[in-house]
Amino acid sequence: NAGVTQTPKFRVLKTGQSMTLLCAQDMNHEYMYWYRQDPGMGLRLIHYSVGEGTTAKGEVPDGYNVSRLKKQNFLLGLESAAPSQTSVYFCASSYGSGGAYEQFFGPGTRLTVL
Amino acid sequence: AQRVTQPEKLLSVFKGAPVELKCNYSYSGSPELFWYVQYSRQRLQLLLRHISRESIKGFTADLNKGETSFHLKKPFAQEEDSAMYYCALKSYNQGGKLIFGQGTELSVKP
Repeated sequence: NAGVTQTPKFRVLKTGQSMTLLCAQDMNHEYMYWYRQDPGMGLRLIHYSVGEGTTAKGEVPDGYNVSRLKKQNFLLGLESAAPSQTSVYFCASSYGSGGAYEQFFGPGTRLTVL
Repeated sequence: AQRVTQPEKLLSVFKGAPVELKCNYSYSGSPELFWYVQYSRQRLQLLLRHISRESIKGFTADLNKGETSFHLKKPFAQEEDSAMYYCALKSYNQGGKLIFGQGTELSVKP
C-alpha cells in the first residue's frame, strides 16, 4: 500500500497563476483533509471531505477550491495564486472522524508563489 | 474555544538527558489528544494517542485534565529523536479535524 500520496512534491508559481494539487489514498478512507503548514503556526485545515462527492470549508478556505469526484482522490485548486499561499500543503485521510481513527498524512507539497 | 498551545519553539538537550515537551489544551468536553512527529522533510507520523496509553520509541504522555495538559516525556533522549513534534487535539466539528499546536523542535546533541 502506498498510503497517502501527493503530486507534485514541489512547485513554483507566479502570482496569478493557477494549479491543482492531487492527493490520492489507497486505504478506502472516507474522510480526507487538506492542511497548510506555515512556520510558527502548526497546521491549519483548508478544506475537508467526509465522503465521495462532498466537500466543506475548514479554517482557512479563502483562495482555494476542492473536489472529491472519486473516493480515493481529493484535489486542491488555486485559481489565482498569491504570495500568501506560499506554504507546505499536507493531505490527510482517515477512516472516520472519531478519536480512534488515525489521520494518515501525505509527504507534502512545497509551494512557492513569487 | 478549542486550542492547543506548545510554549517552546525549540528544546535542546544532550543525549541521555530527560526530555519533556509541553502541551496545553483548551476544550470543553473530553479531549482526544495526539502527538505527531515530523522528521526532517518527512511526513507527519502519529507518535501516540492518549486513549491507547501506549509507549512508542520510549515516549509517554499522560493526560492531566486538571492542568489541561498532555506533556510528552522520554527519560533518556537519543540523537534520532531530533525532530519536530506537534501536539494535536481532535475537534468535534469540521469532520473531526486535528487542531495543532505550533510545534516544538527537539534537538538532541551528542
